[in-house]
Amino acid sequence: SSELTQDPAVSVALGQTVRITCQGDSLRSYYASWYQQKPGQAPVLVIYGKNNRPSGIPDRFSGSSSGNTASLTITGAQAEDEADYYCNSRDSSGNPSWVFGGGTKLTVL
Amino acid sequence: QVQLVESGGGVVQPGGSLRLSCAASGFTFSSYGMHWVRQAPGKGLEWVAFIRYDGSNKYYADSVKGRFTISRDNSKNTLYLQMNSLRAEDTAVYYCAKDGYSYDYWGQGTLVTVSS
Repeated sequence: SSELTQDPAVSVALGQTVRITCQGDSLRSYYASWYQQKPGQAPVLVIYGKNNRPSGIPDRFSGSSSGNTASLTITGAQAEDEADYYCNSRDSSGNPSWVFGGGTKLTVL
Repeated sequence: QVQLVESGGGVVQPGGSLRLSCAASGFTFSSYGMHWVRQAPGKGLEWVAFIRYDGSNKYYADSVKGRFTISRDNSKNTLYLQMNSLRAEDTAVYYCAKDGYSYDYWGQGTLVTVSS
């Protein structure tokens, strides 16, 4: 099965812009989706498809993709954005399956 | 509003079995595929299984294939995960998730602990 690779931790100053990346072969065939998870809570979808936000997700969250790399960008990070972020896509190898990245812990300084 | 409520978690001995349920409301359950995703304590998310909207196709992660069975009862708006031959490494919070725009809604999760 394919793998998705994320940096374990990233930090950003309050109000600044941060990019969280996700690399994997499956991303050449499928868009990534991105999930935010705060301690003790279920994940929440923040970006799906080419660059779509579910209702209620602030427009400071955006997504992009190039080759085997997908990115989640937070423009003007807020304290409440401090969380774990996971990318996910359909696996491009073998039978239908799905894969998550290992997660990125975002710290807002 | 969409609600997914998992139940059935608990403590089970290695080699034992457990059945999880996920009660869905607020959307047409019979029109959507559903996933189970798990998260071991302090670890990341792991996809476990998927079932199509009508139950016609089911897919599993290699780590659970042959031991877990996903099923659904569209008349009861309920998703299930039958877990057999449980191992210590199956200890995790198990989430059900709706397959709309990716995993667009998640339940709150139910904890499964495999320990003697």
